[in-house]
Amino acid sequence: GESVGLHLPTLSVQEGDNSIINCAYSNSASDYFIWYKQESGKGPQFIIDIRSNMDKRQGQRVTVLLNKTVKHLSLQIAATQPGDSAVYFCAENPGGFKTIFGAGTRLFVKA
Amino acid sequence: GAGVSQSPSNKVTEKGKDVELRCDPISGHTALYWYRQRLGQGLEFLIYFQGNSAPDKSGLPSDRFSAERTGESVSTLTIQRTQQEDSAVYLCASRPGDSRVSQPQHFGDGTRLSIL
Repeated sequence: GESVGLHLPTLSVQEGDNSIINCAYSNSASDYFIWYKQESGKGPQFIIDIRSNMDKRQGQRVTVLLNKTVKHLSLQIAATQPGDSAVYFCAENPGGFKTIFGAGTRLFVKA
Repeated sequence: GAGVSQSPSNKVTEKGKDVELRCDPISGHTALYWYRQRLGQGLEFLIYFQGNSAPDKSGLPSDRFSAERTGESVSTLTIQRTQQEDSAVYLCASRPGDSRVSQPQHFGDGTRLSIL
């Protein structure tokens, strides 16, 4: 997968504001997309997914948007809380069992 | 347990030693993955197993790395003659094996490997 070394893209937001984390995916054949959250010292945890026949899907406080035209995926977190501070990864599935992970974005929530 | 279990959670060893990392997937999950995550970086695919099919080893960085899986249960990742560059967190994930319906992977908390 891709790597940005020790300089993960970082997003800093104020507690209570909405957060938007963006991801550009690579394979136009990908038909399934996932967002994961990784807290310090833990493995990635599934947040929400979306299939290519949809352009929006909502969960609890989270929304995923998919724009297949420009191969762009975003994760919106409403009313961001300190517990949302983590690294967020997007992932795409171009078919079968292979999953391609993005480089990750670090979200800081300021109290 | 209900989730993916990895052991040990931490491993410190001297350069040149061999290490073996263990993963217990979720019961019934036929697909199992290993990833490497260096400090502050993303997930680097290493290998995956699916049922009785030949594993996809395309991500293994060198012949010092190998992995085995017993049936549809435990997997071990072995690193021989460890180097300092092998220091990383090694993550295991599993998912149900029905390829007709894509599903998310479930991750363990990883083994943090430190090579002195």
